[in-house]
Amino acid sequence: QKEVEQNSGPLSVPEGAIASLNCTYSDRGSQSFFWYRQYSGKSPELIMSIYSNGDKEDGRFTAQLNKASQYVSLLIRDSQPSDSATYLCASQGSYQLTFGKGTKLSVIP
Amino acid sequence: GAVVSQHPSWVICKSGTSVKIECRSLDFQATTMFWYRQFPKQSLMLMATSNEGSKATYEQGVEKDKFLINHASLTLSTLTVTSAHPEDSSFYICSAGQGVITEAFFGQGTRLTVV
Repeated sequence: QKEVEQNSGPLSVPEGAIASLNCTYSDRGSQSFFWYRQYSGKSPELIMSIYSNGDKEDGRFTAQLNKASQYVSLLIRDSQPSDSATYLCASQGSYQLTFGKGTKLSVIP
Repeated sequence: GAVVSQHPSWVICKSGTSVKIECRSLDFQATTMFWYRQFPKQSLMLMATSNEGSKATYEQGVEKDKFLINHASLTLSTLTVTSAHPEDSSFYICSAGQGVITEAFFGQGTRLTVV
């Protein structure tokens, strides 16, 4: 069974710090990986996608992928209180997405 | 990113009645749509996958006769919760994709409360 594992948190970081979110996946055939942000009561919003090993940066966000270790991470630099949300990691194999349970991030002012 | 519109955003219904939720892709043709359910503090649970013009594929444990999915056009899929009961109260979210899915665009979600 395909699984995506995340630490449920909550992860608390002070404002301005770097938040590090981690994710592992079980399906070695997964080719695409995504990070979604979900505010309470809202639907998920795509913030990063990554397809190849290494780092991908977009503004304050950096996604890292290591296929050999089946590991994906998301770094949020200069964390802001508005970044407080649940972050969902997802992997895509041949067709559909498999989501982790999410990590709740709290950025403390 | 692409825009997916879901309606209604919230609905309250009486036990035993049916509720229809619509999911529309506004600026692209969605060959595939996915329906998820999310209970409080839980992750997204895939209910079914629908392809335009064909029957939906339901995940194990999801009653296809209770959760009717129709994907009659490339821009619209509907989920009907039939004979709703309080345990069906949840947050229902659709997502849409084009061809081989590389990323999912989500609708706003529908908060269903069955009383």
